[in-house]
Amino acid sequence: GIQVEQSPPDLILQEGANSTLRCNFSDSVNNLQWFHQNPWGQLINLFYIPSGTKQNGRLSATTVATERYSLLYISSSQTTDSGVYFCAVRETSGSRLTFGEGTQLTVNP
Amino acid sequence: GAGVSQTPSNKVTEKGKYVELRCDPISGHTALYWYRQSLGQGPEFLIYFQGTGAADDSGLPNDRFFAVRPEGSVSTLKIQRTERGDSAVYLCASSLSRNEQFFGPGTRLTVL
Repeated sequence: GIQVEQSPPDLILQEGANSTLRCNFSDSVNNLQWFHQNPWGQLINLFYIPSGTKQNGRLSATTVATERYSLLYISSSQTTDSGVYFCAVRETSGSRLTFGEGTQLTVNP
Repeated sequence: GAGVSQTPSNKVTEKGKYVELRCDPISGHTALYWYRQSLGQGPEFLIYFQGTGAADDSGLPNDRFFAVRPEGSVSTLKIQRTERGDSAVYLCASSLSRNEQFFGPGTRLTVL
């Protein structure tokens, strides 16, 4: 099956800093989603981005499907951004999402 | 409803017992998925329903796990003869056809 690798596994920032999270995948996809898992375990949808670039406030994402990677940018980070960020992809022929191992982000005041 | 809901939020059971976990998808969503998340890992796929039928159950770990969606809306995940290794958070998601998936808050299952 498809492999999804996220980097870095852990990231510690000071409030106000910017960061880039990366997601690499091993095969063609027709769905890519970024999630933020909050401390209570809820998966919050950030982006549905099989290709191209999207922005939502301080967050933006870019997926280059032909090169099999996606990037999540967080600008002017806040303590409430802390949590685990997951990338998940759906293969062209499938229906399930395959998740990466996540990036644990800690934003300190 | 506003989002995907799951009940119970927590379930503690003893090894060997039977449990049922319920998922209410977003109204109108035809696709429903079950995933399982162990501590420190990303969610892993269990089963996918399109309408009432299980279109892909290849993620179910063994025949102790079974899921139904009899009327194409609510789904129940059933686990027989629970084992300690079944302890995890069970997540349900729904989508319109095979598009963006939205997740519920999960059921934390603990098998003692």
